[in-house]
Amino acid sequence: GAVVSQHPSWVICKSGTSVKIECRSLDFQATTMFWYRQFPKQSLMLMATSNEGSKATYEQGVEKDKFLINHASLTLSTLTVTSAHPEDSSFYICSAPISGTPDTQYFGPGTRLTVL
Amino acid sequence: AQKVTQAQTEISVVEKEDVTLDCVYETRDTTYYLFWYKQPPSGELVFLIRRNSFDEQNEISGRYSWNFQKSTSSFNFTITASQVVDSAVYFCALSGNRDDKIIFGKGTRLHILP
Repeated sequence: GAVVSQHPSWVICKSGTSVKIECRSLDFQATTMFWYRQFPKQSLMLMATSNEGSKATYEQGVEKDKFLINHASLTLSTLTVTSAHPEDSSFYICSAPISGTPDTQYFGPGTRLTVL
Repeated sequence: AQKVTQAQTEISVVEKEDVTLDCVYETRDTTYYLFWYKQPPSGELVFLIRRNSFDEQNEISGRYSWNFQKSTSSFNFTITASQVVDSAVYFCALSGNRDDKIIFGKGTRLHILP
């Protein structure tokens, strides 16, 4: 079946550095991908919609200059957390629907970011 | 606006008991999809079920069953004869027909006690 991968699965970085997280759709194309953030013991909150070939759409309250999204191909979206701070420590999850079938959405395994 | 409410924050039951997780949703879309996901301690979401708004038929899959009632905007999930391995956080979620965004409820943390 369709699979979405994320890399890395976990990352620890120093405050002020930038971190890039990759989300790949395996064996299917995804013109749209979604990025979620989940703080401990909380729900998944949608951060942004990544659109292949165009700008990402950010949810209210999410800083687009801090969370840079690039959807360079039909199988890859990247989320870069710029100038990370401890409050950015979270579990980041991406998802991708198979193009044309909005009800089939596949989630990546998540990336746990810890900012020291 | 779309919204998913899971009023039960945390539930504890003894193994072999039945347990129902409640989910109430709000949407203005005429076509929408409802989901349940399980999130074990590892963090990876496990897809359990997807139901579209035109299919109100209840579904049973092994020990799991789902009750979809449009009249009350509810999509409840029941685990029969619970097992310790069912311990996890369960999320109810909603996706409308205007975009593919999935909106999650706050989740219910389920503890199955041996």
